[in-house]
Amino acid sequence: KAGVTQTPRYLIKTRGQQVTLSCSPISGHRSVSWYQQTPGQGLQFLFEYFSETQRNKGNFPGRFSGRQFSNSRSEMNVSTLELGDSALYLCASSPTYSSNEQFFGPGTRLTVL
Amino acid sequence: GENVEQHPSTLSVQEGDSAVIKCTYSDSASNYFPWYKQELGKRPQLIIDIRSNVGEKKDQRIAVTLNKTAKHFSLHITETQPEDSAVYFCAASKKESGGYQKVTFGTGTKLQVIP
Repeated sequence: KAGVTQTPRYLIKTRGQQVTLSCSPISGHRSVSWYQQTPGQGLQFLFEYFSETQRNKGNFPGRFSGRQFSNSRSEMNVSTLELGDSALYLCASSPTYSSNEQFFGPGTRLTVL
Repeated sequence: GENVEQHPSTLSVQEGDSAVIKCTYSDSASNYFPWYKQELGKRPQLIIDIRSNVGEKKDQRIAVTLNKTAKHFSLHITETQPEDSAVYFCAASKKESGGYQKVTFGTGTKLQVIP
């Protein structure tokens, strides 16, 4: 099976712009979670989608939003980018019902200038 | 909601020594506790996990223990090797209504094994 894929892998934006990141889960996985990873901050949970519905949301401002499509692919959008949004954004997929393991994608490295 | 604390944040050990990383959780409904290893520049990957009906699990040089009463679990790495150097994340997971799993991660421990 192909692993979790994320596009793009690297992105450079300027303050005030918006960005959309994409995540394709492992085939058959219906749950997709998004995390922000910055040095020293570990894995900060953004949100989780299951069957096209947002099930959980972390403590991030409304500038961070997401959605999931019927094929379980997910997108994350950040509007009005700030310098502090520079981070590695990881998505993880899980089959949910049969396993608890999360399978991570390679991440998208976002740099905001 | 669930809160997972992880200690220490950094850990340096000599090659061949043991390393122990500890996590505590707050929600007694959590029933699955995975550990992920993230090598530099790579994605986190599951290395071992334990469910709430088990007190200890071992896989070669890696073991995890769970104390449900005290709500803490630990990762033990014996005979450490340089390739064990990485950031380790613990997590606590529970099933929510609707069948999906809610996962809360610890803040990570950077392990450095000195040759």
